[in-house]
Amino acid sequence: GAGVSQTPSNKVTEKGKYVELRCDPISGHTALYWYRQSLGQGPEFLIYFQGTGAADDSGLPNDRFFAVRPEGSVSTLKIQRTERGDSAVYLCASSLRPGGEGYTFGSGTRLTVV
Amino acid sequence: QKEVEQDPGPLSVPEGAIVSLNCTYSNSAFQYFMWYRQYSRKGPELLMYTYSSGNKEDGRFTAQVDKSSKYISLFIRDSQPSDSATYLCAMSGVENTDKLIFGTGTRLQVFP
Repeated sequence: GAGVSQTPSNKVTEKGKYVELRCDPISGHTALYWYRQSLGQGPEFLIYFQGTGAADDSGLPNDRFFAVRPEGSVSTLKIQRTERGDSAVYLCASSLRPGGEGYTFGSGTRLTVV
Repeated sequence: QKEVEQDPGPLSVPEGAIVSLNCTYSNSAFQYFMWYRQYSRKGPELLMYTYSSGNKEDGRFTAQVDKSSKYISLFIRDSQPSDSATYLCAMSGVENTDKLIFGTGTRLQVFP
């Protein structure tokens, strides 16, 4: 596609529920990143995929968070037992090769846990 | 102390003004320095990318990196109302990891 697509754009869920956030990267981009942006803050790194494998998952806050990219294209960020503190905008970015110069961000999924 | 410090603003300037945005950082291992622009309810968009120290100019935008002072700047000349957005600095290059470390962002408003 022309850009990085994230769905849904907005998600409201109840505390304790499970959610999945989807990212469709730019076609051919091998590197994919997830970031989380809280209100009034800059994005914070969560996880980086190179192809199908997670090359760096050091930013995942705890074991309730998990991400997959089974075919090296679409990625899904999964959050179990959601908490109110998980409310944020979840941003996905992709690049042709590793390196911040080539990042293209999607518009994000705004997650609200009530 | 955060790795990257950025004044959140807001910064309000008249159209045509020169805008100066700045970030300081603590980790001397950072090698790549970026400025992103983020409009409301949109993802960040890369404006400038610089490797190591020095200046880089692109149209009305100039990025400066001073590694000795751990200080980076973005200058916007002839600012326009369409420049009104949040500007995020970002850095990478530590321990061969690809992740970006962002500042909190500075909200800029350019009024006609």
